Amino acid sequence: AQTVTQSQPEMSVQEAETVTLSCTYDTSENNYYLFWYKQPPSRQMILVIRQEAYKQQNATENRFSVNFQKAAKSFSLKISDSQLGDTAMYFCAFMKQDSNYQLIWGAGTKLIIKP
Amino acid sequence: EPEVTQTPSHQVTQMGQEVILRCVPISNHLYFYWYRQILGQKVEFLVSFYNNEISEKSEIFDDQFSVERPDGSNFTLKIRSTKLEDSAMYFCASSEGLAGGLGETQYFGPGTRLLVL
Repeated sequence: AQTVTQSQPEMSVQEAETVTLSCTYDTSENNYYLFWYKQPPSRQMILVIRQEAYKQQNATENRFSVNFQKAAKSFSLKISDSQLGDTAMYFCAFMKQDSNYQLIWGAGTKLIIKP
Repeated sequence: EPEVTQTPSHQVTQMGQEVILRCVPISNHLYFYWYRQILGQKVEFLVSFYNNEISEKSEIFDDQFSVERPDGSNFTLKIRSTKLEDSAMYFCASSEGLAGGLGETQYFGPGTRLLVL
């Protein structure tokens, strides 16, 4: 069975700093998808970034980028120039190719950006 | 920007009662999902739904649970006889289905917090 592990329950950084959230996963699959979702306080989860396992190039979305290490089964999220609005729970999630699209979730990392 | 909506935001019920959680997915989406998160635990997949039938369900989704798309807009989760352990946040999600759902972004609603007493 697939599992997703986020080893940092909580992190805090100063505004404008760079922060990296870690995520590791366990799978025997070769083709799959990885996602980072953000859940601000009292708001719904929104997609931050996604990565297709067959693509070697790391995904980037503005200030958000990933370091995808397939062999190590690692999928970390880097947030550059962090902003107060980045304060949220961040969830890493895995979708295998033949799963009928269910997401398997990590426990989440609570990120606090301090002014 | 279109959003997934869920009602109610909070529901309190007595053990053994039936509850129906409602969701309005994004209008042109074809795949629908329910997830739940028990307090302090990971988000867990319950069920996926496409073309008016269940695509996949988890072990959690037993005979006490059912889903329905009663009209062109709503997607409901029914729990027939609630148990204390059903207390959780329930999230609805939808995806476009252009690529058959595979690898697509799932868009989430704000959740319904269910408390069973």
